[in-house]
Amino acid sequence: ETGVTQSPTHLIKTRGQQVTLRCSSQSGHNTVSWYQQALGQGPQFIFQYYREEENGRGNFPPRFSGLQFPNYSSELNVNALELDDSALYLCASSPGHENYGYTFGSGTRLTVV
Amino acid sequence: AQSVTQLDSQVPVFEEAPVELRCNYSSSVSVYLFWYVQYPNQGLQLLLKYLSGSTLVESINGFEAEFNKSQTSFHLRKPSVHISDTAEYFCAAVPGYSSASKIIFGSGTRLSIRP
Repeated sequence: ETGVTQSPTHLIKTRGQQVTLRCSSQSGHNTVSWYQQALGQGPQFIFQYYREEENGRGNFPPRFSGLQFPNYSSELNVNALELDDSALYLCASSPGHENYGYTFGSGTRLTVV
Repeated sequence: AQSVTQLDSQVPVFEEAPVELRCNYSSSVSVYLFWYVQYPNQGLQLLLKYLSGSTLVESINGFEAEFNKSQTSFHLRKPSVHISDTAEYFCAAVPGYSSASKIIFGSGTRLSIRP
């Protein structure tokens, strides 16, 4: 049973559009991370937020941005969508800074056409 | 730089047979090691983790993994698999020194169980 909820579960967008993916974490989980999992690959780290501030970022361009809110929800925004952005996007939350207590959501499957 | 290598992209085995999924990591610093499982159309679930202490760690459903520092390996084993173990398995690592670092995942191993 997961305490992290992601919405929507599936999404189809056109190249060049913008998209917002949402994640609702468990109460008390101050750390949230976002990962991109392309088909047939392992998840790749996009960025991490701790108490509403970004405190770590992977090798993703600035058109990938995020927000974390006081109510333990967060967003991943992607501008100027490209075909290669098609992937499963995973949200993971943790009570604190540590990276060994993460709970993952079921993900949002984004298809860019 | 840290990296995780899963040597087999697919492992087919018969039901009730033993299985080993191989994982090697590369890191110049101490690391925490994990195995995650992903069932079809679902997110990741933590299977087991090594943080410190005993090098042999076990999960509740019969999997075990052994941290081998000299061989930089963290292979996952199960003595007898079931159809329900069919899934994708990801080995992962996190540098032990950093409080806000990313989880580095391997490319995954698809375990398929034949009846």
